Amino acid sequence: EEELVESGGGLVQPGGSLRLSCVGSGISFTNYWVNWVRLAPGRGLEWVANIKDDGSETYYVDSLRGRFTISRDNAKKSASLQMNSLRDEDTAIYYCATGAGWLINQWGQGTQVTVSS
Amino acid sequence: IVLTQSPGTLSLSPGERATLSCRASQSVPKNYLAWFQQKPGQTPRLLIHGASHRAPGIPDRFSGSGSGTDFTLTISRLEPEDFAVFYCQQYAASPITFGGGTKVEI
Repeated sequence: EEELVESGGGLVQPGGSLRLSCVGSGISFTNYWVNWVRLAPGRGLEWVANIKDDGSETYYVDSLRGRFTISRDNAKKSASLQMNSLRDEDTAIYYCATGAGWLINQWGQGTQVTVSS
Repeated sequence: IVLTQSPGTLSLSPGERATLSCRASQSVPKNYLAWFQQKPGQTPRLLIHGASHRAPGIPDRFSGSGSGTDFTLTISRLEPEDFAVFYCQQYAASPITFGGGTKVEI
């Protein structure tokens, strides 16, 4: 079964850091761009970042560049999102997602990140 | 590319036709425009890609149209399971962007 599984979410204080992970199984993970997309309470979907299949290119939404870093380890069929200097407004469900090129057609179940004191 | 969806909320009954709009701030290259459906507590589901191509397994009551800056998702006859939030997304240029969503409610 094709599956993406996220982990690493949780409760963190403002200014803190979290590292999210995404592991792919049953899919040709190494052939796909990996995206992180978030859904904040009362807001819509927001694309966060993506990374090319070989890790040679990364892109970010402008508002998060510098605080968030995406990476991948194809040997482990995994990708990560390092999130620093977290703010209340970063509270969201974070989804790992892949697909053909930049088209997203497969999503993980998401991991909840809550930033609160 | 900023995507603006309208209306914000659409109140309809099962069996009715739903027409959702997505307008881009500039032309979407190659019409790389997708539509997703998301229900509460579920992951988004890809409905349409390339503006008009249904994803595998998507019923033919869902159709997409448009090009350039104006796109439309039409649900010909709403089924009870169709009520959800719908998002358009452009995947042609970085940053990838989503519209704000249209909630289709009973």
